[in-house]
Amino acid sequence: AQSVTQPDIHITVSEGASLELRCNYSYGATPYLFWYVQSPGQGLQLLLKYFSGDTLVQGIKGFEAEFKRSQSSFNLRKPSVHWSDAAEYFCAVGVRITTGRAQKLVFGQGTRLTINP
Amino acid sequence: DAGVTQSPTHLIKTRGQQVTLRCSPKSGHDTVSWYQQALGQGPQFIFQYYEEEERQRGNFPDRFSGHQFPNYSSELNVNALLLGDSALYLCASSFGDRVNSPLHFGNGTRLTVT
Repeated sequence: AQSVTQPDIHITVSEGASLELRCNYSYGATPYLFWYVQSPGQGLQLLLKYFSGDTLVQGIKGFEAEFKRSQSSFNLRKPSVHWSDAAEYFCAVGVRITTGRAQKLVFGQGTRLTINP
Repeated sequence: DAGVTQSPTHLIKTRGQQVTLRCSPKSGHDTVSWYQQALGQGPQFIFQYYEEEERQRGNFPDRFSGHQFPNYSSELNVNALLLGDSALYLCASSFGDRVNSPLHFGNGTRLTVT
C-alpha cells in the first residue's frame, strides 16, 4: 500500500536560517509527489510537484524539493526562511484513480514549522 | 476567478445527528474529491465524484455518502455522527483525466461533534 512518512512532527528554525523538511514515500510505480502548505484554519496550498524529468523542482515562495529515487525521498528545502513560512507542511504521493479522474493523494502526517525571530 | 468554496465554515452537531457539507469546485473543474483531516493528522481520502458518480472510496464506512450535481458542485453527508467524526473536511477539485492534474483545495468545514 502507498504511504508517506514525515519523520519530523515539529521543527523550529530561526528566521533567515535554512530549512529542510524530510519526506519518505512508499509506492510501487513511478511516484507523483507533492508538497502542500497549510496555515492555521486554512485549506491546503500547493507548493510544488514532481512528475518526471529534472529531480530538482522549484516551487512557489522560494521553496524547492529534490526527488531521490534510491532513497525514496522528496525533501523540501528553502535557503532562508521568513516568519511568514510558519505553517504545517504536508508531503503527498498521487495515486491514480483508475475508474475516475486525476488522482487521490496519500498524505504524510505533516511537519509543523515554527520560526524564531 | 473563484477557487474552491465550501460551506459552512464551522458546524457543531450532536452524536447521532446527520450533517451535510457543501462544495463548489473551481471554475472549469469537473471532479470533486473529499478528504477528512483529524486534528494533528494529514488529510485522508474519503471519495471522489466525477460525472455525478462516486468513482473511488477510501477506507470510510457507508455512513459517509456524497452527491455530485450537474453543475459539478458536491455534497458530503455523514449519518449517525460519532465523536470521532470531528475533523476538518476538505474539498478538492480538479480537471482532466491525467494524474498530473493538480488538486485545488478549499478552506474546509470544521465539524465538531459533541
